[in-house]
Amino acid sequence: GQQVMQIPQYQHVQEGEDFTTYCNSSTTLSNIQWYKQRPGGHPVFLIQLVKSGEVKKQKRLTFQFGEAKKNSSLHITATQTTDVGTYFCAGRGGQETSGSRLTFGEGTQLTVNP
Amino acid sequence: DGGITQSPKYLFRKEGQNVTLSCEQNLNHDAMYWYRQDPGQGLRLIYYSQIVNDFQKGDIAEGYSVSREKKESFPLTVTSAQKNPTAFYLCASSTGTRRHTGELFFGEGSRLTVL
Repeated sequence: GQQVMQIPQYQHVQEGEDFTTYCNSSTTLSNIQWYKQRPGGHPVFLIQLVKSGEVKKQKRLTFQFGEAKKNSSLHITATQTTDVGTYFCAGRGGQETSGSRLTFGEGTQLTVNP
Repeated sequence: DGGITQSPKYLFRKEGQNVTLSCEQNLNHDAMYWYRQDPGQGLRLIYYSQIVNDFQKGDIAEGYSVSREKKESFPLTVTSAQKNPTAFYLCASSTGTRRHTGELFFGEGSRLTVL
């Protein structure tokens, strides 16, 4: 079945440093979504990427979808303590039979030292 | 306010007992999902439903059962056959269809502990 791998598993940064998490799928994806889960909370949707090579920005966050639609990345510029949490990617398979099912990566847990 | 409500928030169960987790949404979403999250790990799909009276197994369906008799409700039963049921359970809904995945809206989760 479809597998989505995410690295690194943990990342500790000093406030102001940049942060990147990478997501790789074993199969071609039709789209990829990113979520953020604060400690003790539930995942909250950040963004969805659909097109090959797509790049989207949200303030200090930059999301990319690979040309082959099998990998994606999230980059945070100049981290702040409010960025603390676990970031998940979630992909939908490229086949018609994938339906509305999403497969999540294992997440990258970000801690920011003030 | 529109959203997803999960209950109970915390639940303790003795081994050998079945337990049912409630999930209700008033977002008028067709698709609903159950995920399991273990400490420091990602979300693993248990079951999902794209329409009323229909549901599909996810990656870890063994020991779990669901029903989708109403659009608003998607309860999950953790049966005694589930060998390691202690976990954080998350319910979600979306506008997803057979060919499309909308963003997932998650409930606040139910934390199940088996004693």
